[in-house]
Amino acid sequence: EPEVTQTPSHQVTQMGQEVILRCVPISNHLYFYWYRQILGQKVEFLVSFYNNEISEKSEIFDDQFSVERPDGSNFTLKIRSTKLEDSAMYFCASSVGAGGSTGELFFGEGSRLTVL
Amino acid sequence: GDSVTQMEGPVTLSEEACLTINCTYTATGYPSLFWYVQYPGEGLQLLLKATKADDKGSNKGFEATYRKETTSFHLEKGSVQVSDSAVYFCALSSYSSASKIIFGSGTRLSIRP
Repeated sequence: EPEVTQTPSHQVTQMGQEVILRCVPISNHLYFYWYRQILGQKVEFLVSFYNNEISEKSEIFDDQFSVERPDGSNFTLKIRSTKLEDSAMYFCASSVGAGGSTGELFFGEGSRLTVL
Repeated sequence: GDSVTQMEGPVTLSEEACLTINCTYTATGYPSLFWYVQYPGEGLQLLLKATKADDKGSNKGFEATYRKETTSFHLEKGSVQVSDSAVYFCALSSYSSASKIIFGSGTRLSIRP
């Protein structure tokens, strides 16, 4: 069964360092997303991506964040200069149609980021 | 803005017990409502959904009814199994946005044999 895969599963980094989280969405999906969950808190929407551009982003997704689909298969989230409060589980997801209309997002297992 | 509030966990039940996980929402317009489940070591996956008032979503013995008058979408199951142990997330799709889904904080459910 096709699945969304994320790497790394866990990354530890120093404050101020750049981090890239990688995702391989399901191959025929057109919409891609990043969410994050700080321990014990809600799963928060960060950004959605369609047709090679950001379709929507939250207020959390400021200038230190960027997304890219560099080669038609990977979908990456870059955090330019990490802060302690960026420590969270980051989930990638993909969907065939717009997630809000179908509700069916397919999620990866998550990448846990720990900023020291 | 739109939001979802669900009961805090963890919830621990014995096998074959009845389950209810409460979820209420705040939204403009008429959102679609969802329950996602995350089994240990896996990503979130859609469990069930309801797209309009009074709709009942169901899957794997779980049910939830879209109640517009109480802005609720409580998850229920009559007899839980050990294999139901997971984290359950209530979610909605924002009327103002076609692309994103808004999640609650999740409720961890543990079932004792």
